[in-house]
Amino acid sequence: QKEVEQNSGPLSVPEGAIASLNCTYSDRGSQSFFWYRQYSGKSPELIMFIYSNGDKEDGRFTAQLNKASQYVSLLIRDSQPSDSATYLCAVKGNGGFKTIFGAGTRLFVKA
Amino acid sequence: DAGVTQSPTHLIKTRGQHVTLRCSPISGHKSVSWYQQVLGQGPQFIFQYYEKEERGRGNFPDRFSARQFPNYSSELNVNALLLGDSALYLCASSLAQNEKLFFGSGTQLSVL
Repeated sequence: QKEVEQNSGPLSVPEGAIASLNCTYSDRGSQSFFWYRQYSGKSPELIMFIYSNGDKEDGRFTAQLNKASQYVSLLIRDSQPSDSATYLCAVKGNGGFKTIFGAGTRLFVKA
Repeated sequence: DAGVTQSPTHLIKTRGQHVTLRCSPISGHKSVSWYQQVLGQGPQFIFQYYEKEERGRGNFPDRFSARQFPNYSSELNVNALLLGDSALYLCASSLAQNEKLFFGSGTQLSVL
């Protein structure tokens, strides 16, 4: 079992729709959860982080965390073509020194 | 403010050679992590350094080594290069050991 699992996609949504990206993790002791966006040929860029169960909203982005189910998600509202990228879910354990990344989900937003 | 800077941006080496990649963290950041990213995969953890000490090592062979200098910059060294070492090498800095990561633009290494 991979430590952080994501559907590789591609996920294709029309412009203006909600894109829903999902991630599961194996370490129940994980405490910090991150979403990074990576455009083709570029390095990852942090877009959201969440530490507690529930929802966290920032602009068009909402991160959702359910520690009991070991599940993290990212919702992108009013998706734009510029949101087309690979979204990486990342998890850090309690007191851990490393951040573990999933393989990423490719998102395409069609104009 | 300058972000994380990495050098060189691209590098071509042949099998058996060694390579040194360099990273300067964001000013004030004391932690540097190194990742390897192969096309189509997520970044794989190689090392983390905090306050000039190695705090973690991923599942990479001993050919990979790193160090952090007093100014918190860091080097990643890879010896006896293999074709499979071809990848994007990412450096990320963070304020402290368990904080959010900020990535440099990476070094694209090609081993021929």
